[in-house]
Order: sequence, then C-alpha cells, then structure tokens
Amino acid sequence: ETGVTQTPRHLVMGMTNKKSLKCEQHLGHNAMYWYKQSAKKPLELMFVYNFKEQTENNSVPSRFSPECPNSSHLFLHLHTLQPEDSALYLCASSRGQGASGELFFGEGSRLTVL
Amino acid sequence: GQQLNQSPQSMFIQEGEDVSMNCTSSSIFNTWLWYKQDPGEGPVLLIALYKAGELTSNGRLTAQFGITRKDSFLNISASIPSDVGIYFCAGQSGNSGYALNFGKGTSLLVTP
Repeated sequence: ETGVTQTPRHLVMGMTNKKSLKCEQHLGHNAMYWYKQSAKKPLELMFVYNFKEQTENNSVPSRFSPECPNSSHLFLHLHTLQPEDSALYLCASSRGQGASGELFFGEGSRLTVL
Repeated sequence: GQQLNQSPQSMFIQEGEDVSMNCTSSSIFNTWLWYKQDPGEGPVLLIALYKAGELTSNGRLTAQFGITRKDSFLNISASIPSDVGIYFCAGQSGNSGYALNFGKGTSLLVTP
C-alpha cells in the first residue's frame, strides 16, 4: 500500500469510446504525475500537476486529457484512442514538484485499446 | 529527456547469489534513484542518492552515486525469491527541472 490508489486496474476500450482513469493520493502531497509504461521502453512522463496547476505536458496527444480538481485527485480522460496507446498508465505523487525525485506510484491502470 | 543505459537487461540467478546492476548516462545528474516494480504493481522507491560518491544501504541493498555523476550501481546481496521483479534506475538533473529520466529496467529472476 503506497498511499496512491488507481482505478480501474484494467480497462478495455474501443477506439471510439470515452473513458477516464482516476488516481487518488492519501499522502498529503502537492504534486501528481501521469506516466505511461510500455514494454521494453523507459517510463514516459505525460503530465505534471503542482498545487492543482498543470506544469508539464510532455507533448502528449490531445486524445489524452488530464484533470486535477484538487491536490489529492488526478484524472486522465481518454477518447478516440489508438491501439498503440495500449499500455500501463501509472499515477504518482510527490511532496513537491520534483524537489527530491522521490515519487510514490500507484499500482497502475492496464489499458487495452481494441 | 536524457537517455539512461541500464544493464544488464535481465538476470537469472540462484537464491543466495549476489546481484549487481548499473546505470550510465552521457549527462550529469544531481540525484540518482533506484525503484523496484513487482509484477502487477507500480514501482516502489528503494534507495535515493543525492551526492556524488554517496554509498547508501537499505537492508541487503546497496547503491552508489558515481563520482562522475554519470553513473550509479545497485547491489543486492544474498538474493531471495522475493527479490524477483524489475529494477529501474532514475536520474534527475537541474537541466530537466524536476523530471525523472528512467532506465529501461533490469528484470531479475531468482530460483530457489
């Protein structure tokens, strides 16, 4: 139990569907992150929020839309995805934006796009 | 981001053996971190290193921040079956602000 909870753990969707991934952290952290993990590739940073403000969008396609209503919750809205978007999506949090590099990850949401 | 070269890609060892893996970069980092990811889980931080030359232990794990600030290694002594998983190195530099650069991971299998 890392204090970061992601739902759903598994998601299968068609290319025309709209779905959302949810992340909640119970650590009192101020920064939250979305990472994409694909086989044989390093973790790819997608978005960063610090005190609810988006501070980083790492050239992510607009079919991925993040939302951070408060410092404890982070969403990733998905629409018109492609099969190559199938991956493990990891949420993470940290005390502040990258001050120590110490990230606390959730268990991930395994996304399959058909 | 800056590329990290992590090796080996995978290791298959017997219980009780020691393990060594390393990570190198063409760029300087201010922080090196090592994470472990168990199957079906997210990565968990094992050790964080903040100073060149620093040697830090966490139980049977020992990690060092290279003097050149371009490399780090992780050693696991007397491996046990629960050490199975993927080990990731990550580096953070002032140039990239807060962003961590991750290696591709070392997959460790331990047989009883």
